[in-house]
Amino acid sequence: QVQLVQSGAEVKKPGASVKVSCKASGYTFTSYYIHWVRQAPGQGLEWMGIINPSGGSTSYAQKFQGRVTLTRDTSTSTVYMELSSLRSEDTAVYYCARKGYCSSTGCYTEWFDPWGQGTLVTVSS
Amino acid sequence: DIQMTQSPSSLSASVGDRVTITCRASQSISSYLNWYQQKPGKAPKFLIYAASSLQSGVPSRFSGSGSGTDFTLTISSLQPEDFATYYCQQSYSTPPYTFGQGTKLEIK
Repeated sequence: QVQLVQSGAEVKKPGASVKVSCKASGYTFTSYYIHWVRQAPGQGLEWMGIINPSGGSTSYAQKFQGRVTLTRDTSTSTVYMELSSLRSEDTAVYYCARKGYCSSTGCYTEWFDPWGQGTLVTVSS
Repeated sequence: DIQMTQSPSSLSASVGDRVTITCRASQSISSYLNWYQQKPGKAPKFLIYAASSLQSGVPSRFSGSGSGTDFTLTISSLQPEDFATYYCQQSYSTPPYTFGQGTKLEIK
């Protein structure tokens, strides 16, 4: 079955960087884009960026431009999200999710499915 | 960026009730609207795409409707496992992909 498995929880100090992995299985890795979404404690879902595992092209939310980097390793079917200059407000659960899309005529929406299990990143001095 | 606003932010209901959650876009998004369910400590689960199409495996008591700027998610007869937070998400104008702030459905 299609599955995304993320790396474990991290604790970082302010100013540090964190790198979270997302390993895909059950499908052709290079055929589907991967999103990253975060959720601060008690808050909603916030889109961070997307990567095309085939060519490595990326697009980031303006809020994270310059601080987030998405990369991929096709040999291990793994996508990485690195966030730098961490501050306390970056404490959140970070999710990867595969981009889904319609293939039928007249349907053009894109969605997030499946999701990884989430990785808690805690930023604290 | 397109803003998505859900109402209500929270809702109390009983097993067997029919409930409706509303999602409004800041501009027309045609039918580029999806719904998710999230339970505490878990990743979101994909429910409905293109405003009204049920994802495979999702119970038929869930339904979606709407187009343009106004959308609804309806649960026809609440089951105990339906108490969760629900999010809408637009993909009409991306990036960024934007979500509603969520609607928490609680047991009365």
